[in-house]
Amino acid sequence: QKEVEQNSGPLSVPEGAIASLNCTYSDRGSQSFFWYRQYSGKSPELIMSIYSNGDKEDGRFTAQLNKASQYVSLLIRDSQPSDSATYLCAVTDSGYSTLTFGKGTMLLVSP
Amino acid sequence: AAGVIQSPRHLIKEKRETATLKCYPIPRHDTVYWYQQGPGQDPQFLISFYEKMQSDKGSIPDRFSAQQFSDYHSELNMSSLELGDSALYFCASTARNTDTQYFGPGTRLTVL
Repeated sequence: QKEVEQNSGPLSVPEGAIASLNCTYSDRGSQSFFWYRQYSGKSPELIMSIYSNGDKEDGRFTAQLNKASQYVSLLIRDSQPSDSATYLCAVTDSGYSTLTFGKGTMLLVSP
Repeated sequence: AAGVIQSPRHLIKEKRETATLKCYPIPRHDTVYWYQQGPGQDPQFLISFYEKMQSDKGSIPDRFSAQQFSDYHSELNMSSLELGDSALYFCASTARNTDTQYFGPGTRLTVL
């Protein structure tokens, strides 16, 4: 059974700092990796997707993937209080696969 | 841009009643996924449909059934509701030949 592990947090950072969120996965066959942001009671919102080893940047967000270590991370630069949410790491194997989610890391950005 | 539409947004039912949740995917998306998220839990995959056929099945109880219609919308039917079915139910959709899932706003089901 595929497993996705995340620290539950909360991860507390001051406004303007870099937040680093980490995720490990058990299935070496995993092909696609996603970060979703979820505010309490709301639906998951796609932040980043990454498919190959290395870094992928989009605005203040950088996703990093290391398939050899089965590790994916999300860096949030210049963190804002509005970034305070639960960040879900999710993986699929290929094609029309379902998402396997981690339990999420709660991020708290203090003004 | 158009998003996934779910209805109703809130639903309150009694134990042993039935409920039907509806999902309208993003236009031109042909794959629909259903997830259940209990309080403090991560979303759990229930079932998915591609081109109106069931494509994958997760931890969906036998009391639940679902289908996808010719216009690609999907319905999740839940019978003999139990207190433990109280949760957020999300629908997500993907476009053909992609695996990026976009989530709808969810239906909050409360079973009393």
